[in-house]
Amino acid sequence: DAGVTQSPTHLIKTRGQQVTLRCSPKSGHDTVSWYQQALGQGPQFIFQYYEEEERQRGNFPDRFSGHQFPNYSSELNVNALLLGDSALYLCASSWLTEAFFGQGTRLTVV
Amino acid sequence: GDSVTQMEGPVTLSEEAFLTINCTYTATGYPSLFWYVQYPGEGLQLLLKATKADDKGSNKGFEATYRKETTSFHLEKGSVQVSDSAVYFCALRGDNAGNNRKLIWGLGTSLAVNP
Repeated sequence: DAGVTQSPTHLIKTRGQQVTLRCSPKSGHDTVSWYQQALGQGPQFIFQYYEEEERQRGNFPDRFSGHQFPNYSSELNVNALLLGDSALYLCASSWLTEAFFGQGTRLTVV
Repeated sequence: GDSVTQMEGPVTLSEEAFLTINCTYTATGYPSLFWYVQYPGEGLQLLLKATKADDKGSNKGFEATYRKETTSFHLEKGSVQVSDSAVYFCALRGDNAGNNRKLIWGLGTSLAVNP
């Protein structure tokens, strides 16, 4: 079992650009959550997907959107990137029990 | 709403010292409680969990007991090692119905263990 995998691991983008981050959940997990972790901070909940629908959303602007596919994998899209979007983006998958995290995607906006 | 409060760091200890990182929570009902660890440059790893009152989670020498009377889930280890240097996060997941598996996080406590 590969666990939760995220791609890419690192990414550098310019302000105003758009970015797509990808997550493959742990085998058997049907729920994917995305978190943003700024340097030196705890994770902040962005949103959660279950059965291909956004079920819950944190306090993030509409520039942050997502999608879940029939195989439970997920994408996080961020439009009109700001410098403040620079962070580690973590994907977590779960099925009834605890959440398992991927290694994250380090996004740097310049 | 639900919340988690962790003791502030950084915590610096010598190898083989005793570790306690305090965590208290506010939640309705019976949340599940977790400790996650984040090693430098890595993602979050589940360290231990407890899903009901008086449960004790344990892993790699770390322990935490779910105390509903004090709404606490303090992390302890009897003898820390240099390899335990990391950031530790306390988190909870509410017990409300539905598919709400959102985790509520503490701010994290940085631990540095010196040889």
